[in-house]
Amino acid sequence: AQTVTQSQPEMSVQEAETVTLSCTYDTSESDYYLFWYKQPPSRQMILVIRQEAYKQQNATENRFSVNFQKAAKSFSLKISDSQLGDAAMYFCAYRTGTYNQGGKLIFGQGTELSVKP
Amino acid sequence: DGGITQSPKYLFRKEGQNVTLSCEQNLNHDAMYWYRQDPGQGLRLIYYSQIVNDFQKGDIAEGYSVSREKKESFPLTVTSAQKNPTAFYLCASSVYRGATNEKLFFGSGTQLSVL
Repeated sequence: AQTVTQSQPEMSVQEAETVTLSCTYDTSESDYYLFWYKQPPSRQMILVIRQEAYKQQNATENRFSVNFQKAAKSFSLKISDSQLGDAAMYFCAYRTGTYNQGGKLIFGQGTELSVKP
Repeated sequence: DGGITQSPKYLFRKEGQNVTLSCEQNLNHDAMYWYRQDPGQGLRLIYYSQIVNDFQKGDIAEGYSVSREKKESFPLTVTSAQKNPTAFYLCASSVYRGATNEKLFFGSGTQLSVL
């Protein structure tokens, strides 16, 4: 079975600085997809960024980028120029690439990010 | 506007009572999911459905039941067999049921508490 681990329950960053959130996963599959979701105090889940395992290039979305290390099974999220609105719980998630196994996501435990003004 | 609607926002359950959480989507998505979120823990999958009239157990299905009679609706019943039901429940849907990088769309959640 696949597992996702986020080893940092809490992180803090100064406004305008850069922070990296860690995520590791365990799988025997070669095809899969990885996601970072953000959950602000409103509790609404918001997709931040996604990565296909078959792509070597790291995904980027504006101030958000990932460092995808397939061999190490690592998928960290880097937030540049942190803003107060980035304060939230961040979840790393895994989806199988096997067809008809469902589109369900397996989530890590989450990292609570606080941003200091 | 398309989206997922969960109701109610807050729900209270008495001992021995079954309660049903509603989830409706107008996105024309095939697949729907129910997740449970506890403080300090990630989201755990309760049930999911890839197509109407079909659903599968997730990792923590005991004490829960679902139905999928319509594409738009995937209600979750928390039965009296669920001894620790207090949690935040999130419903989600996705376009495809197979292998894809399509994201999950989430509802705004229901907070269930035991009286």
